[in-house]
Amino acid sequence: GAGVSQSPRYKVAKRGQDVALRCDPISGHVSLFWYQQALGQGPEFLTYFQNEAQLDKSGLPSDRFFAERPEGSVSTLKIQRTQQEDSAVYLCASSPPPWQGYGYTFGSGTRLTVV
Amino acid sequence: DAKTTQPTSMDCAEGRAANLPCNHSTISGNEYVYWYRQIHSQGPQYIIHGLKNNETNEMASLIITEDRKSSTLILPHATLRDTAVYYCIVRPRGKLIFGQGTELSVKP
Repeated sequence: GAGVSQSPRYKVAKRGQDVALRCDPISGHVSLFWYQQALGQGPEFLTYFQNEAQLDKSGLPSDRFFAERPEGSVSTLKIQRTQQEDSAVYLCASSPPPWQGYGYTFGSGTRLTVV
Repeated sequence: DAKTTQPTSMDCAEGRAANLPCNHSTISGNEYVYWYRQIHSQGPQYIIHGLKNNETNEMASLIITEDRKSSTLILPHATLRDTAVYYCIVRPRGKLIFGQGTELSVKP
């Protein structure tokens, strides 16, 4: 597609519920990133994939957060047993191989509200 | 990882140049300076990046000091649609680390 697509756009979850957030990167983009953005803050890095390999997950806040990209394209961020502090916008970004440029393209995000 | 410092907020009159400063005094020799902006309810948008030379594209100009310890993003003719949070980022090894950014308000 023309851009990075994220779904759903909005998600309301009851505390303790599991959620799955989807990211469709730009076709051919090998790198994929997930960020968490709390209200009024800058995006915080969560994890990074190069193709299907998860090369950096240092930003995942707890073992309740899990991300995968099994075929090197679509990625899913899963949050188990959601807590109120998980309420945030979750942003996905993709980028082409380094030799094709440096720009990261972000999706519009999924706004998660845990009630 | 290099850290950046930006003013929390700035105002600019419509049609005038907006000059957004950024300090990155601990930048390493192989780290690029990136600028992104985020308009309300959207994901961040790439603007421009540079290593040590000044850069210009259709959106903005980037001026990097000779010692690379600071840079300035210039929007030559700001419009109301340029109202956004602007992030200066020094890129460490493939991931973007965002700070708080500068909230730019362009006023009529």
